[in-house]
Amino acid sequence: DAGVIQSPRHEVTEMGQEVTLRCKPISGHDYLFWYRQTMMRGLELLIYFNNNVPIDDSGMPEDRFSAKMPNASFSTLKIQPSEPRDSAVYFCASRRQGTEAFFGQGTRLTVV
Amino acid sequence: GESVGLHLPTLSVQEGDNSIINCAYSNSASDYFIWYKQESGKGPQFIIDIRSNMDKRQGQRVTVLLNKTVKHLSLQIAATQPGDSAVYFCAERAPAGYSTLTFGKGTMLLVSP
Repeated sequence: DAGVIQSPRHEVTEMGQEVTLRCKPISGHDYLFWYRQTMMRGLELLIYFNNNVPIDDSGMPEDRFSAKMPNASFSTLKIQPSEPRDSAVYFCASRRQGTEAFFGQGTRLTVV
Repeated sequence: GESVGLHLPTLSVQEGDNSIINCAYSNSASDYFIWYKQESGKGPQFIIDIRSNMDKRQGQRVTVLLNKTVKHLSLQIAATQPGDSAVYFCAERAPAGYSTLTFGKGTMLLVSP
């Protein structure tokens, strides 16, 4: 298995632009998580899905952030409009019931 | 493994030494704990886990100890190698939030040859 696949690995965008981050979870995993990592705040859970349904989005910082999971093999995290304070590494992780979470390599987002 | 703002706590050891990384968790109701290793430019990678009905669990070169009385978790790495250099995170899962993990701020382990 290729593991959790995220794209792009790096994204540099200008303030105000829309950014879309993509994730392909491990096949057969029914939970998908989006995390944000910064030096100041560490790893923060933004949102998670179970069987493609958003369960808890209380970690999404504001309405500029949205996430979708149209099917079991794909999820997106969108920021519109982006701001410099959104600069961070965004991780996607997936797991099956009763197992640990497997993380992707992350997307390093820089908003200038 | 307490956070000190912008700077991660750092543990520096010599190759071959044993390393102990500590973590204080926050929720006395947490029933499951995991240690993750994160190398530069990569995502966190599972190392070992422990459930709250245990106080010790051993893996290959790693041991996790759980002290629920003081809400403390530790990761022991035997015969530390340069490849062990990374940031180590503990994570806890509370029963109420069954599916989600809360991560600590991390400890950087530096292993000198």
